[in-house]
Amino acid sequence: TQLLEQSPQFLSIQEGENLTVYCNSSSVFSSLQWYRQEPGEGPVLLVTVVTGGEVKKLKRLTFQFGDARKDSSLHITAAQPGDTGLYLCAAHTSGTYKYIFGTGTRLKVLA
Amino acid sequence: DVKVTQSSRYLVKRTGEKVFLECVQDMDHENMFWYRQDPGLGLRLIYFSYDVKMKEKGDIPEGYSVSREKKERFSLILESASTNQTSMYLCASRSRGAINEQYFGPGTRLTVT
Repeated sequence: TQLLEQSPQFLSIQEGENLTVYCNSSSVFSSLQWYRQEPGEGPVLLVTVVTGGEVKKLKRLTFQFGDARKDSSLHITAAQPGDTGLYLCAAHTSGTYKYIFGTGTRLKVLA
Repeated sequence: DVKVTQSSRYLVKRTGEKVFLECVQDMDHENMFWYRQDPGLGLRLIYFSYDVKMKEKGDIPEGYSVSREKKERFSLILESASTNQTSMYLCASRSRGAINEQYFGPGTRLTVT
């Protein structure tokens, strides 16, 4: 199974700090999703980006799709303990049914 | 809101048992998926269904089968459970359309002893 490369794999930060998670590939995709998964639960969809260069904001979370649609980033401003979880990116190519999943970034925000 | 439900959150089965995992979605989605998630291996696709009674093998179909008799329901069957099938099983659904968004259920943690 192909995987998208996510970095960092693990991140432990203090409440109030900012952070950025990256999702990289050498392939071009038609859309990319970001999910957050808590222990013992299924992934919850946060956002979908489809246009190169697109930026979407969800409260303190900012998502960007690379201009060439090969990579994406997730920036969290003033992280809170409730942001703790596993962040997954998933990319899709038009005309196929398969999604390629990232390796995941496990974030822990300490109070 | 899209809702995907799975029949059990936790299951413990014995080696050799036949196991049924059920998934139901309420958004009239055409496509449904079964994945397993294991530490260090990420999400791996077991089977995919693009319509009622239609299915395709994913990356790791061995030891599994599926059934989709109704549009809203997609079942995963472990014909003869083995310990290496201990895992977190995730069902997902997706609508056809310009933007393909996949929605996951809460997962079933299966332990085979």
